[in-house]
Amino acid sequence: DTAVSQTPKYLVTQMGNDKSIKCEQNLGHDTMYWYKQDSKKFLKIMFSYNNKELIINETVPNRFSPKSPDKAHLNLHINSLELGDSAVYFCASSLVAYEQYFGPGTRLTVT
Amino acid sequence: AQRVTQPEKLLSVFKGAPVELKCNYSYSGSPELFWYVQYSRQRLQLLLRHISRESIKGFTADLNKGETSFHLKKPFAQEEDSAMYYCALVTGGTSYGKLTFGQGTILTVHP
Repeated sequence: DTAVSQTPKYLVTQMGNDKSIKCEQNLGHDTMYWYKQDSKKFLKIMFSYNNKELIINETVPNRFSPKSPDKAHLNLHINSLELGDSAVYFCASSLVAYEQYFGPGTRLTVT
Repeated sequence: AQRVTQPEKLLSVFKGAPVELKCNYSYSGSPELFWYVQYSRQRLQLLLRHISRESIKGFTADLNKGETSFHLKKPFAQEEDSAMYYCALVTGGTSYGKLTFGQGTILTVHP
């Protein structure tokens, strides 16, 4: 009965590879988000989708592409991975913007 | 542009001592501020919101528009309060808005 789930939990890959992180929520929320938490624990929004429509797109390299097949899922695809992409990526969902429910995070390590 | 600043990366107190986690913001609109908390091995979750003026787990936070601050306070810290605390500002409205987080403060309460 997990509310917001992410897979995989850990992802280790080499520079130049393409990888995807999946997120699913069973809360019936309309809005989903992707955040990046860097090594200093700074948490910054990347994207937000509302009912499968992109509504927030922060200054993120084009190598990052979110995809929302339905409002319960928001996946993050990353092309040509770089060392600087190493971080913890959090998915979240909400009914209202201020009360977001976060997933457990995916720790991405690029070597 | 909006900004949230938490000047203390680390904060240590002893059990029973008062604790104050500082948060300052910069925003041209009417601010709506929140505190999120992440306990060890748990997900990031909403702790409290300024508009409700409630006390959660003994914590309170008052919005001071003159000082542009939203400090989190508890009169008697407990060991279970040890966690990462993020101050957050919502902008863009309730439905399609986003959260801007501060850098986070790691609180350690010693026995």
